[in-house]
Amino acid sequence: GEDVEQSLFLSVREGDSSVINCTYTDSSSTYLYWYKQEPGAGLQLLTYIFSNMDMKQDQRLTVLLNKKDKHLSLRIADTQTGDSAIYFCAESFSGNTPLVFGKGTRLSVIA
Amino acid sequence: SQTIHQWPATLVQPVGSPLSLECTVEGTSNPNLYWYRQAAGRGLQLLFYSVGIGQISSEVPQNLSASRPQDRQFILSSKKLLLSDSGFYLCAWQRSSGNTIYFGEGSWLTVV
Repeated sequence: GEDVEQSLFLSVREGDSSVINCTYTDSSSTYLYWYKQEPGAGLQLLTYIFSNMDMKQDQRLTVLLNKKDKHLSLRIADTQTGDSAIYFCAESFSGNTPLVFGKGTRLSVIA
Repeated sequence: SQTIHQWPATLVQPVGSPLSLECTVEGTSNPNLYWYRQAAGRGLQLLFYSVGIGQISSEVPQNLSASRPQDRQFILSSKKLLLSDSGFYLCAWQRSSGNTIYFGEGSWLTVV
């Protein structure tokens, strides 16, 4: 079955790197996503990676995918207070099927 | 470009009252549409999704219902709200046969 797991909380100091981890169970996923939710707002697409890739970099964000271990991570370099939010991992499959989301990791950045 | 809007942004309703949340998408045709709920401090729960007008799939049995009267309009309703219906409701869209979904701004519902 489909299941996406994330740790619920992460706390880092401003300027350090943050690494948010995610594991999934269904190997037939096509894309894997990271969404960011700021307080009281909807989810904003941060980045995504196609399942046949193992790394994607976009400015301060680096996504690593280990398909063998079904492990996805999001690294935020030089974490800022504005990065404080809930980060959701999600996987998608082919066809008209909904994404499967993790429960979200709340990132707190300490100044 | 495509945009998604949902309203109202915030509402406080008494127990037993009806509910109507509306979502519209512009700039695309025949999108897949979704309603999610996020209870306080919790993850996302998929409530309904639709791949076309009049086609609604329900993921969770409850006192909520959804309708899609037009191609780019998705409505979440209830005849009688319960306290447990309180939460943050998110509408989302996806290109037909696409992957990425895009969320609206969300609607805060407090049932008192």
